[in-house]
Amino acid sequence: EPEVTQTPSHQVTQMGQEVILRCVPISNHLYFYWYRQILGQKVEFLVSFYNNEISEKSEIFDDQFSVERPDGSNFTLKIRSTKLEDSAMYFCASSPAIRFGETQYFGPGTRLLVL
Amino acid sequence: AQKITQTQPGMFVQEKEAVTLDCTYDTSDQSYGLFWYKQPSSGEMIFLIYQGSYDEQNATEGRYSLNFQKARKSANLVISASQLGDSAMYFCAMSPPQGGSEKLVFGKGTKLTVNP
Repeated sequence: EPEVTQTPSHQVTQMGQEVILRCVPISNHLYFYWYRQILGQKVEFLVSFYNNEISEKSEIFDDQFSVERPDGSNFTLKIRSTKLEDSAMYFCASSPAIRFGETQYFGPGTRLLVL
Repeated sequence: AQKITQTQPGMFVQEKEAVTLDCTYDTSDQSYGLFWYKQPSSGEMIFLIYQGSYDEQNATEGRYSLNFQKARKSANLVISASQLGDSAMYFCAMSPPQGGSEKLVFGKGTKLTVNP
């Protein structure tokens, strides 16, 4: 069964460093998302991406964040200058369409720790 | 704005028994979708079940069923015949109406522990 994959599974970085989190969505999906989950808290939406551009973003997704689909398979989240509060689990998700009730399928997550 | 409330931070159930995890929601939209996801200790988010607001029948997927009460704005997850592997965090989430926002809004989750 097709699944969303994410790399790395864990990343430790120093405050102020740039990190890139990578995702490979399910191959025939058209909509891509990033969510984050701070330890012990609920999952929060960051950004959605369709047709090579951001379609929606939350207030969390400020100028230090960016997303890109550099080729036909990868979808990346870049954090330019990490802060301690960026430590969280980051989930990539994809869905085949934006039809009502379409399920978003999540990847296994990247656990980011900023020191 | 949409909001999901899960009032049970933790639940315990004996193996082979059924358990209900509560979820209430708040929205002014007439059409919306409700989802349940499972998050084991390994961290991944696993889709379990979906209910559309216009679906007249409660959704079922194997041992999972969704007790949807639209007037009460509740969408409780029922797990029948609990197994040890069901121990995990469970999140209720809502999707917006068609043509609206694309994001899922999640509740804070319920930690389910299945005892042998």
